[in-house]
Formats: sequence, structure tokens, C-alpha cells
Amino acid sequence: EDKVVQSPLSLVVHEGDTVTLNCSYEVTNFRSLLWYKQEKKAPTFLFMLTSSGIEKKSGRLSSILDKKELFSILNITATQTGDSAVYLCAVDPSATSGTYKYIFGTGTRLKVLA
Amino acid sequence: GAVVSQHPSWVICKSGTSVKIECRSLDFQATTMFWYRQFPKQSLMLMATSNEGSKATYEQGVEKDKFLINHASLTLSTLTVTSAHPEDSSFYICSARDGQDSKNIQYFGAGTRLSVL
Repeated sequence: EDKVVQSPLSLVVHEGDTVTLNCSYEVTNFRSLLWYKQEKKAPTFLFMLTSSGIEKKSGRLSSILDKKELFSILNITATQTGDSAVYLCAVDPSATSGTYKYIFGTGTRLKVLA
Repeated sequence: GAVVSQHPSWVICKSGTSVKIECRSLDFQATTMFWYRQFPKQSLMLMATSNEGSKATYEQGVEKDKFLINHASLTLSTLTVTSAHPEDSSFYICSARDGQDSKNIQYFGAGTRLSVL
């Protein structure tokens, strides 16, 4: 059965800390891995990763994929209270399924204290 | 770009009534839209996938007669919760993918909080 596992489930840090969120996956067919940030409402798109070893970066956020070991990490440096959110990892297995639907992890709930 | 609008953001209704939620892609053609349900402090649960012009594909355990999905145009999908009951109270989120973009990124609406009294 295809699955996506995120760790830790929750995390509390102080402003300025660096955090690393983990996402491991087991899917029959892999097309891409995506990271989303969900605050109070809808998830907003952060990164899409398709190739191993190529870091995607946006400001203080960065992410990398390891297709051999089947995992990805999301790093946030110099955290701010505005980074408090649930971070969702999703895998797109549509390489052969043709359905376009994702497999979501349970999310990591990050709280950044002032 | 890639904006998805969802309305209403919050709705309260009486038990037994029906509620319609709209999901619109504002700046792209959404050949495929997805409807999710999210319980407090849990991840997204896919309810159904809808492709423009065809019947929706429902996930196992989701009642298609209860949750009616229509995707009549490339920019609009609707979810109607029929004969709503308190157990249908939840956060419903739609997403859409751009059919002209090969990347298959889903863009999400802001969600609808449904409270059934």
C-alpha cells in the first residue's frame, strides 16, 4: 500500500531556531514530491521535487529529495512566528496511475514561539 | 497566477437541508478538481476527483448520493452536501490542477467550514 510518513508530528521551537521536517514515502510509482504550508485555511504550495539531490530554495525555506532512500526534508532557517503552520508532504504517484491524485502525509505541526 | 476561489468560507445550516460549495479556478483551466475533507488536527482526506465534463470518481467509503459533485466547466466545480446532518460538519477544501501544465501541481481553495445544527 502506498504511504507517506512525516516526522515529527509536532514541533515547538523558538524564533531564530532552524528546523528540519522529514517526509518518507513508499509508492509503487513516483512522479514528484510536494511540500505545502497550511495555516488556518487552505494549503499553499511551497516546492515540487522530482530529481534527487537538487535543492529547491525560497528565502529561508529549502528542500531536497533523495529518491534512492525515498525521503525528502524541508529546512526552515531563522524561524519566525509566521512560520507556525502545518507542513504537508504529498507524493504524486501519477506516473502510471493517471488519476493525478496525491498521497498526503499526516503533516507536521510547527509552532514557533516568540 | 494559479488562484483557486472557494465559496462560501463558512456556512451554517439546519439538519436535513442541502448545501452547495463552489470552487473556481480564476486564472487557469482546471481540467481536474479534487474535493477533500479535513477533520481537526488531521490531514486532508480525498473525497473525490472530478474531471470536466464527466462523472466524478469517489474514494472508497464516500457516498456519492450524499456528496454530489458537478464539474460542468473548466473553471467551476461544485460540491453539494445533500440532506446534511451534524456528522457532516467539517472543513471541506477543493483543489484544482491546470490541464495545460504538465507538472500536476494542485492549487487549493481557502476551504469551507460547514456546521450542521
